[in-house]
Amino acid sequence: QKEVEQNSGPLSVPEGAIASLNCTYSDRVSQSFFWYRQYSGKSPELIMSIYSNGDKEDGRFTAQLNKASQYVSLLIRDSQPSDSATYLCARGDSNYQLIWGAGTKLIIKP
Amino acid sequence: GAVVSQHPSRVICKSGTSVKIECRSLDFQATTMFWYRQFPKQSLMLMATSNEGSKATYEQGVEKDKFLINHASLTLSTLTVTSAHPEDSSFYICSARDTVSYTQYFGPGTRLTVL
Repeated sequence: QKEVEQNSGPLSVPEGAIASLNCTYSDRVSQSFFWYRQYSGKSPELIMSIYSNGDKEDGRFTAQLNKASQYVSLLIRDSQPSDSATYLCARGDSNYQLIWGAGTKLIIKP
Repeated sequence: GAVVSQHPSRVICKSGTSVKIECRSLDFQATTMFWYRQFPKQSLMLMATSNEGSKATYEQGVEKDKFLINHASLTLSTLTVTSAHPEDSSFYICSARDTVSYTQYFGPGTRLTVL
């Protein structure tokens, strides 16, 4: 079992709708979680970090963490074509190294 | 915001030559930096973890004598690909971990093409 699991997609969402990206992890002691966005041919860019159970909002992005169920999700409201990218989920281990998911490819259709 | 620079952004070299890539954290200190490699349409692959003032830790299967890493200061790490061959052609990305927040920030990457 992979430590961080993501559906590879592609996930296709119409423009203006809410895109929901999910990530599950296997290590119960993880305390830090991150969402990165990677455009094709570019390096990853940090979108959100979340450390506590519940929701964390930043503009059109909301990260949701549920440690009991071991999942973290990212919601993108009012999706735009420019949101089309691969979204990488990562958890921090006890040495603060990131354990990466394989990424979900998101396509926003105009 | 936290900015990480990488230089060069693109390099083309002949087989057998060595290439040095620099990674700098511009507005924060990074005790630890990471070097990744990514082939087209594949996931990020961690190559090594670089700690300031000490030897790098390499992931399994990564040749330490081929990929030389130096992390001489809190803001600079370098990766040297020695005796590069066409199979080393890839997108090399560094990240720097903020000493305070432990968040990793990525550089823009270096695209290496070995002819």
